[in-house]
Amino acid sequence: EAGVTQFPSHSVIEKGQTVTLRCDPISGHDNLYWYRRVMGKEIKFLLHFVKESKQDESGMPNNRFLAERTGGTYSTLKVQPAELEDSGVYFCASSQEGVVENSPLHFGNGTRLTVT
Amino acid sequence: GEDVEQSLFLSVREGDSSVINCTYTDSSSTYLYWYKQEPGAGLQLLTYIFSNMDMKQDQRLTVLLNKKDKHLSLRIADTQTGDSAIYFCAESKRGYNKLIFGAGTRLAVHP
Repeated sequence: EAGVTQFPSHSVIEKGQTVTLRCDPISGHDNLYWYRRVMGKEIKFLLHFVKESKQDESGMPNNRFLAERTGGTYSTLKVQPAELEDSGVYFCASSQEGVVENSPLHFGNGTRLTVT
Repeated sequence: GEDVEQSLFLSVREGDSSVINCTYTDSSSTYLYWYKQEPGAGLQLLTYIFSNMDMKQDQRLTVLLNKKDKHLSLRIADTQTGDSAIYFCAESKRGYNKLIFGAGTRLAVHP
């Protein structure tokens, strides 16, 4: 089975520009998560989709971040306008169910975002 | 509060055992995890332990949990160069996949 894929793998943009990250979960996985790791610190939860619905978006840092999952398949995370502190690695993960006992998280390789 | 802490770096000789430590603050955490990230790759779940267990062993990996001290450790026996990676400790409540991660421990294995 194909794993979780993220695009692009790297993105370098200037402060004030817009960037859109894409995540394709494993086929059939209803649960999709976004996490990010900023400057070598801890990995932090951003939000959780169940199909196309936002189940939990408590980790979204501010309204410059917009996540969508139209149709319940792939998801996009848009940052507009980007700020320097948004630099980091953005991970996407998916699981068939929402609990680890039945289906642990499968992570993508991440998108490394650099805002200059 | 929710906080997971790990030491940032560990260096071991090939063939020795590695022990990576983690402390957490949320006593209501029910699952604790170890993830591995190799260079350029995503996070790979190595193992997880339910909070009512003290120990879990899986081949070269041994996880120890001291719930009283909120301390989790991962022991890798006979460490190999392929074990060089960043190891993340994480916790969650009731097994939900919303995880709280530490900053990661970079394990370097040298000959």
